[in-house]
Amino acid sequence: GAVVSQHPSWVICKSGTSVKIECRSLDFQATTMFWYRQFPKQSLMLMATSNEGSKATYEQGVEKDKFLINHASLTLSTLTVTSAHPEDSSFYICSARDFKREGGTDTQYFGPGTRLTVL
Amino acid sequence: GENVEQHPSTLSVQEGDSAVIKCTYSDSASNYFPWYKQELGKRPQLIIDIRSNVGEKKDQRIAVTLNKTAKHFSLHITETQPEDSAVYFCAAIPYNNNDMRFGAGTRLTVKP
Repeated sequence: GAVVSQHPSWVICKSGTSVKIECRSLDFQATTMFWYRQFPKQSLMLMATSNEGSKATYEQGVEKDKFLINHASLTLSTLTVTSAHPEDSSFYICSARDFKREGGTDTQYFGPGTRLTVL
Repeated sequence: GENVEQHPSTLSVQEGDSAVIKCTYSDSASNYFPWYKQELGKRPQLIIDIRSNVGEKKDQRIAVTLNKTAKHFSLHITETQPEDSAVYFCAAIPYNNNDMRFGAGTRLTVKP
């Protein structure tokens, strides 16, 4: 299957700092990438849809000014958690869709995730 | 938007037994239904998927069935092994839509 990388795999930061997480599709072009947040023992919650060359679409309740998303190329999307606080500590996972023209739907592949701990 | 419900939330089976996880969806426009397996601290891995023009798909010990009329689909794992222990998520995507919604997950434990 397709490969999606994510960097860093884990980060510990002080409250009030900003953290940038990168998501890359390594062997395919992804016009759309997704950012999820997962708290312990819970499901993946979609935060936003990242569209190459345009603004991200945020889910209800997700602060766009706090979670800045940039999708500058067909293989890279970044999520910046600004002024992070302890409640932002979570497992952040990106995914990218590998569009298959037949059928019209496509397969979504996940990055390995970034564990953010805010002290 | 799409709403996906998944049951049970936890499932414990004896090694060699079968496991069945069920999901229902609300949006009749959904036409792609993947299943993901997630081990602790790792990324979800696609294990099988089914599209709405198919009623059943099988890959070795894993099978998925889809009932479009009832809007539900199920994951079947036969001859379970301890390494099948993980959290399984179902999801549903409408055609040409970026909106993939996950079920709440099922924690499967296979006892040796």
